[in-house]
Amino acid sequence: EDQVTQSPEALRLQEGESSSLNCSYTVSGLRGLFWYRQDPGKGPEFLFTLYSAGEEKEKERLKATLTKKESFLHITAPKPEDSATYLCAVQAFSGTYKYIFGTGTRLKVLA
Amino acid sequence: KAGVTQTPRYLIKTRGQQVTLSCSPISGHRSVSWYQQTPGQGLQFLFEYFSETQRNKGNFPGRFSGRQFSNSRSEMNVSTLELGDSALYLCASCPMGASNTGELFFGEGSRLTVL
Repeated sequence: EDQVTQSPEALRLQEGESSSLNCSYTVSGLRGLFWYRQDPGKGPEFLFTLYSAGEEKEKERLKATLTKKESFLHITAPKPEDSATYLCAVQAFSGTYKYIFGTGTRLKVLA
Repeated sequence: KAGVTQTPRYLIKTRGQQVTLSCSPISGHRSVSWYQQTPGQGLQFLFEYFSETQRNKGNFPGRFSGRQFSNSRSEMNVSTLELGDSALYLCASCPMGASNTGELFFGEGSRLTVL
């Protein structure tokens, strides 16, 4: 069964304290892996797409990496405004194309 | 360029009633997907429409239905509401169909509370 698992469920960091969020997946026919950021009461906002193992993408304090089984979202020197829920999703093909989302990591960065 | 617009943003219904939610995708986007988001289950896929045709459907009962109009606007309907239908319903549009890899652009959602 296709599955996406994110860890940890919640993470509290001090401002400037770097860390990584994990997204592990078991899917057939991976087409792409996506990271989204979701603020309370809002819809998810697209961050990155990764297509193949070894690929990396960066945006400000965020860097996403991909292996054959998992992806990491590295947050370097986070600021309070980075506080949000980070969602991982994969697009897979098994007869039809579909997106499968993880349940997210709730990040809180303390000043 | 306007983003994905969902209406209404908030609504309260009672068990047994029905509800219709609306979604206007980003101009030029032909694919519209609907998701249900709850604290315990995360985002669960409901269905995807492309050029007025339902192309994919998640594992939800038949009480959940949708449609897409010729201008790509989409509606979803939930009949005979149950308490467990309380959730944030998110609409997402994509510039291409799901057969092409592409990121989803989400609206801010419709928060449904069933009493």
